[in-house]
Amino acid sequence: QQQVKQSPQSLIVQKGGISIINCAYENTAFDYFPWYQQFPGKGPALLIAIRPDVSEKKEGRFTISFNKSAKQFSLHIMDSQPGDSATYFCAASSPGTYKYIFGTGTRLKVLA
Amino acid sequence: KAGVTQTPRYLIKTRGQQVTLSCSPISGHRSVSWYQQTPGQGLQFLFEYFSETQRNKGNFPGRFSGRQFSNSRSEMNVSTLELGDSALYLCASSGAGPTDTQYFGPGTRLTVL
Repeated sequence: QQQVKQSPQSLIVQKGGISIINCAYENTAFDYFPWYQQFPGKGPALLIAIRPDVSEKKEGRFTISFNKSAKQFSLHIMDSQPGDSATYFCAASSPGTYKYIFGTGTRLKVLA
Repeated sequence: KAGVTQTPRYLIKTRGQQVTLSCSPISGHRSVSWYQQTPGQGLQFLFEYFSETQRNKGNFPGRFSGRQFSNSRSEMNVSTLELGDSALYLCASSGAGPTDTQYFGPGTRLTVL
């Protein structure tokens, strides 16, 4: 019940295309869902985050879609660029636990 | 504002040794969390400290321990190192809220030979 399932494991997208990464969870106590981007040799960097009281959040080319009833959320990267090539992690947290449960990561490669 | 800093960045140890990793959080942040990242297991939560108190602990053996100082800086210690402890150890800091965003440092790459 503590797992966050992330798919796909890897993704190849053409420059200018849309990258879509999906995550699913079981624990209905989760109330905070961040996405992190990680480049090789670096720590994860926060990309965008959402709480379950909204169904969508957009920041620049990055959008989170959230489906509370299906217990799923996804990251959409519009107009994908080669510089977006990185590993993306979804995560979830519930109040009072002070920890994130991370998905297994998606390695994105954007072809020039 | 300076980000989360971790020292050392790279470390090579042999089996049976112990190691101490250090983390300085973002100024004003009082919560520090530690995660282990490996290719096989991904990012796994080790423990979290706030105001020098451990508030939560992951499913790791007692060889993994941590502490936090009054200035919010934190250290984690791994005793009797095993080959499987080779990993990137990440520290994250956040504010005081239960689900405040965590900001990660660059990590310490530990290799156990």
